[in-house]
Amino acid sequence: GAGVSQSPSNKVTEKGKDVELRCDPISGHTALYWYRQSLGQGLEFLIYFQGNSAPDKSGLPSDRFSAERTGGSVSTLTIQRTQQEDSAVYLCASSLAGGGNTIYFGEGSWLTVV
Amino acid sequence: GESVGLHLPTLSVQEGDNSIINCAYSNSASDYFIWYKQESGKGPQFIIDIRSNMDKRQGQRVTVLLNKTVKHLSLQIAATQPGDSAVYFCAENFAGGTSYGKLTFGQGTILTVHP
Repeated sequence: GAGVSQSPSNKVTEKGKDVELRCDPISGHTALYWYRQSLGQGLEFLIYFQGNSAPDKSGLPSDRFSAERTGGSVSTLTIQRTQQEDSAVYLCASSLAGGGNTIYFGEGSWLTVV
Repeated sequence: GESVGLHLPTLSVQEGDNSIINCAYSNSASDYFIWYKQESGKGPQFIIDIRSNMDKRQGQRVTVLLNKTVKHLSLQIAATQPGDSAVYFCAENFAGGTSYGKLTFGQGTILTVHP
């Protein structure tokens, strides 16, 4: 597609349930990023993929968070046993490989844990 | 109820005025800087970028200035329009040895343009 596509756009889940968030990057972009934005906050880096591997997972807040990427394209961010503090907007971004390339964001998946 | 979180800097301008949004970045080794615009309920939208070997770059109605001496970045918007109302974030990147675009974002500035 023309831009970064994320689904679902909105998700309400009960505390303790698992959720999966999907990202489809811009075609040809080998670099993919997940960020999190809590209400009124800036963006917090979670994880970076180059192709299917994740050289930097340093931003994942706990072992309940994991992500994978298959075929060098679509990525899934999984949150297990969700907690209320996981409520946030989860933003996916992509770019061409290497630093200094423009990074484009999707519209985000708004997660609410009740 | 009362919202919890950071109180972002705000800038209010009249339509047609020029706007200047400032950002102090943290890492003197950062070599790539980006400004994003985020409207309510949407993801960040790329506006303009600049590399550390430059001190000024111009786009359509926007100019970014970089002062590496004091680690300061600014975004100038000419002839501001109501559609420019949004939260503006600066972001820095230190490619370093890994050479990839991990961004560190500033807290954001709320720009409100009054007709």
